[in-house]
Amino acid sequence: DTGVSQNPRHKITKRGQNVTFRCDPISEHNRLYWYRQTLGQGPEFLTYFQNEAQLEKSRLLSDRFSAERPKGSFSTLEIQRTEQGDSAMYLCASRDRVNTGELFFGEGSRLTVL
Amino acid sequence: KNEVEQSPQNLTAQEGEFITINCSYSVGISALHWLQQHPGGGIVSLFMLSSGKKKHGRLIATINIQEKHSSLHITASHPRDSAVYICAVRYTDKLIFGTGTRLQVFP
Repeated sequence: DTGVSQNPRHKITKRGQNVTFRCDPISEHNRLYWYRQTLGQGPEFLTYFQNEAQLEKSRLLSDRFSAERPKGSFSTLEIQRTEQGDSAMYLCASRDRVNTGELFFGEGSRLTVL
Repeated sequence: KNEVEQSPQNLTAQEGEFITINCSYSVGISALHWLQQHPGGGIVSLFMLSSGKKKHGRLIATINIQEKHSSLHITASHPRDSAVYICAVRYTDKLIFGTGTRLQVFP
């Protein structure tokens, strides 16, 4: 257990439905990252937050994707009108910039769009 | 061309062998991470390097900033080392990942 928790761990949905994933980072970590990983590939950057501010969003990310971190603690990643190509593992990681800078990953949320 | 390249993509070894995984990158970085991913998705950070060499148990990681190259070594490999090993570089404030090296160690 790294201290970063993600829910749900698995989500199966039909195309066109909306899904939301939640990430609870390590409490003192001010940076939170979302990544997406498809089979056989390395994780791909989606977006990241410093406290509640969303500092960067991947240009590859469509407008159907939105992320929030309203109080600088947990974060949500919502995908609207899901498509089969959205099927992937969605990974969250957090980091304390001040100290070691080590990244801690959650177990991921696996999305399957039918 | 990917900004982070790993080699080999797949690696099989007999238990006890010395293993080397290589990572080359093309951007200026502030740090490089070696990560381990087991089937099922969980990723664990093994090392974070900005220079030189680090050792933890049977694992050794080195980085050459001038050559933009890093290596991960596993001494006396064991079947429990079987996993995907991922190199990731910190560029601005986000990580760029390699595609990983799948290692299988057979008894």
